[in-house]
Amino acid sequence: EAEVAQSPRYKITEKSQAVAFWCDPISGHATLYWYRQILGQGPELLVQFQDESVVDDSQLPKDRFSAERLKGVDSTLKIQPAELGDSAMYLCASTANRAGDTQYFGPGTRLTVL
Amino acid sequence: GNSVTQMEGPVTLSEEAFLTINCTYTATGYPSLFWYVQYPGEGLQLLLKATKADDKGSNKGFEATYRKETTSFHLEKGSVQVSDSAVYFCALSDNDMRFGAGTRLTVKP
Repeated sequence: EAEVAQSPRYKITEKSQAVAFWCDPISGHATLYWYRQILGQGPELLVQFQDESVVDDSQLPKDRFSAERLKGVDSTLKIQPAELGDSAMYLCASTANRAGDTQYFGPGTRLTVL
Repeated sequence: GNSVTQMEGPVTLSEEAFLTINCTYTATGYPSLFWYVQYPGEGLQLLLKATKADDKGSNKGFEATYRKETTSFHLEKGSVQVSDSAVYFCALSDNDMRFGAGTRLTVKP
């Protein structure tokens, strides 16, 4: 069964350092999402891509976060510099279409900022 | 805007007990509704979904019915098992996906 891949699974960094997360969606899925999930809460959307284009990044803290999906397949989410409050699970999801479709999630990257 | 409110946890049940986790939503359009499950240290897995009013989603003994009149999508299971212990998220998808805060379920032998 096709899955969304993410790496690394765990990342520990010190504040002010740069970190990057990678996501490979299910093959053929045009829409890719990055979410942040703080412990004890539901996921919150950071950015949504349709192919290589950003559809929604209204909740992305653009002073320190960036995301790209250059060839419309895999994607990278970067934080520079990391802050203590960025400690969370970062989830990637993909769908074949856009609105209303089932989102399939990767295993996530657990980020701890010290 | 669209939103989801789900029953606060944690919920602790004995094995074979009946489970209900309440979920209500607010939406301006006609969203699809989902229940996802998250096991410790993992991402979210789709449990079931319903795309229109009166649809019933079901999977692994879990059920939920899309009730437009009460704007609800309550999750039920007749007999829970220890392996059902996880966090359950209700979600709706219209132009974007909105999640509830999650309900932690612990099932004791």
